[in-house]
This record gives sequence, structure tokens and C-alpha cells, in this order.
Amino acid sequence: GNSVTQMEGPVTLSEEAFLTINCTYTATGYPSLFWYVQYPGEGLQLLLKATKADDKGSNKGFEATYRKETTSFHLEKGSVQVSDSAVYFCALSDQKGGKLIFGQGTELSVKP
Amino acid sequence: GAGVSQSPSNKVTEKGKDVELRCDPISGHTALYWYRQSLGQGLEFLIYFQGNSAPDKSGLPSDRFSAERTGGSVSTLTIQRTQQEDSAVYLCASSTGTGGWYNEQFFGPGTRLTVL
Repeated sequence: GNSVTQMEGPVTLSEEAFLTINCTYTATGYPSLFWYVQYPGEGLQLLLKATKADDKGSNKGFEATYRKETTSFHLEKGSVQVSDSAVYFCALSDQKGGKLIFGQGTELSVKP
Repeated sequence: GAGVSQSPSNKVTEKGKDVELRCDPISGHTALYWYRQSLGQGLEFLIYFQGNSAPDKSGLPSDRFSAERTGGSVSTLTIQRTQQEDSAVYLCASSTGTGGWYNEQFFGPGTRLTVL
């Protein structure tokens, strides 16, 4: 079945450091790929998405490229801020109905 | 406009009791999803509604779990004879259109269920 694997956390970085959170997936067909973020005490919100191979999703300085050949959707940001501290979830959506299948989440902590 | 709302925000119950969790989706959103978030299992899909129909119930963990949606709007997730392993945060999400795989899902704040 479909599944998502992302790197384990927690990840601790200093402000202005480069961020990569790895995400790989297994799926039949051509799913859409998403990164959701959960800030402390808040609900899940969409960070970015890509709907087909080679698409790049971007938002708030974060980017991820849909790589079909490596079945990956790694999240990157060139310079993190303390306010980026949150839990990040990689997800794919099933083509039948759109249910989301999530990775286990990666907690990011950015220190000043 | 208003986002997805869920009630109650917190629910503490005793093992063996029944509980009902409510979700109010964004107005006009035809697709509605239930997920749960627990420490051991991460974020898991439970059930999907398109209008009042549930074409995908594959994530419901047992027959103690059921859900309904009325008027194409409010949904209720019912857990009968609760067990301690049901303790989790139950999340509701809604999206536009026909629940297509490319549509963004908007999440509610969740209901934290604790079974003693």
C-alpha cells in the first residue's frame, strides 16, 4: 500500500542554518505530495504542495520538488528562523477520494 | 470565513463509555475527513465523506467506531465502549470539490480524547 517515510527528529538547528527534512514515498499511480506544519499549540496547516512530477512547491521560504525517479519530496529552507520551530509532516494523497497518508512527523527546533 | 471547528476541544471519559465528537466543516466544502493523531501511531486516516456518503471507511480501527454526516455539513464521530488505546487527538478536515487528490485539506483544531 501507499506509505510515506520521513527522517526522524528532533532536528535542532541554529538560526540562519540550512534545513533539509527528507521524505520518500511509496505509491501506486501519481499521488499529490504535501508538506503540512503544526506549530506549537496550533492545528495542522498546509505549507506547500506539488501535484505532478518535477513540480516545485514553495511557501514562506520553504521548497520541495516532486522527484518521481527517486520517489522523494524533501523539504528545504535556506535560512531557518526561530519561528520555524514546529513539527513538519510529509504526506501524499490517495487518488481515490484524496485521503492523506502521513509520514511520522519531524520536530524542528531552531535556537537563536 | 470561519475555518473547520470541532467540539469538544477536550474530552475525558471512563473506559467503557460512549463518546461523540463533532466536526463543522468550512461552508460549501463537500469532502470531509476524520484522522487521529496519537503518539504511537502518528497521523492516521479514519474515514472520508463525500456529501453524506462515506465511500472510504477503511481507516476505522474497529466496529466500535462509526461516523455520520448530515445535510452535507456537520459530521459526528462516535466511539462506543471506549478503550484506553482510543486516547488520541481526533482531527477533522474538509476540502472543496469532489475530494480530489489535489485539493488542499483544511484542518480543525482537534478534539483531545483521554480514556481513563
